[in-house]
Amino acid sequence: EIVLTQSPGTLSLSPGERATLSCRASRSVGSAFLAWYQQKPGQAPRLLIYGASNRATGIPERFSGSGSGTDFTLTISRLEPEDFAVYYCQQYGSFYTFGQGTKVEIK
Amino acid sequence: QVQLQESGPGLVKPSETLSLTCTVSGDLISNHYWTWIRQPPGKTLEWIGYIHYSGSTNYNPSCKSRVTISVDTSKNQFSLRLSSVTAADTAVYYCARDDGIKFDYWGQGSLVTVSS
Repeated sequence: EIVLTQSPGTLSLSPGERATLSCRASRSVGSAFLAWYQQKPGQAPRLLIYGASNRATGIPERFSGSGSGTDFTLTISRLEPEDFAVYYCQQYGSFYTFGQGTKVEIK
Repeated sequence: QVQLQESGPGLVKPSETLSLTCTVSGDLISNHYWTWIRQPPGKTLEWIGYIHYSGSTNYNPSCKSRVTISVDTSKNQFSLRLSSVTAADTAVYYCARDDGIKFDYWGQGSLVTVSS
């Protein structure tokens, strides 16, 4: 099983600031198989990024993904009020696993 | 517009079987893989398993012995059965469309509580 470790657990930032979220895998992950999701309270997760760096349909350009191998990053260039949420990375090896999440909260 | 909707009992007794159905609209079951994911209160997401319309399945090893996912193409639905449930199976259960690497459409989620 590939374990995904996200850091930090909580990120306290102000609107307009840049957010950098990390996802580290216990073994190498093919870039095609790394995705990021956003989840707000009481809602289902929403796909943001797939293939490590491809924005899903309708996702604003301020969201970007990068990385390869065992280290992946989700960047939100300038935080909007609606971006404060929990973010999960996800990989597919022989089966799917998710990270434990990073909460982006208003400072 | 692709939409998924979970349905099933919200309360299940310990040792019994949890059963949920996901109804898909705006897409055909035969076009994709379909997945079940759960999220215990306050915790992260856990993939349970997926099914292809052909009947091919893949399950998370952590619950493989208790899980069955099936598909009904005539109703454009797929279903989850989880046997011998305990309190640890209390979670919000999501169904999602699965293209082999990501989940691009999700249901709203169905809270299932395991309690006597």
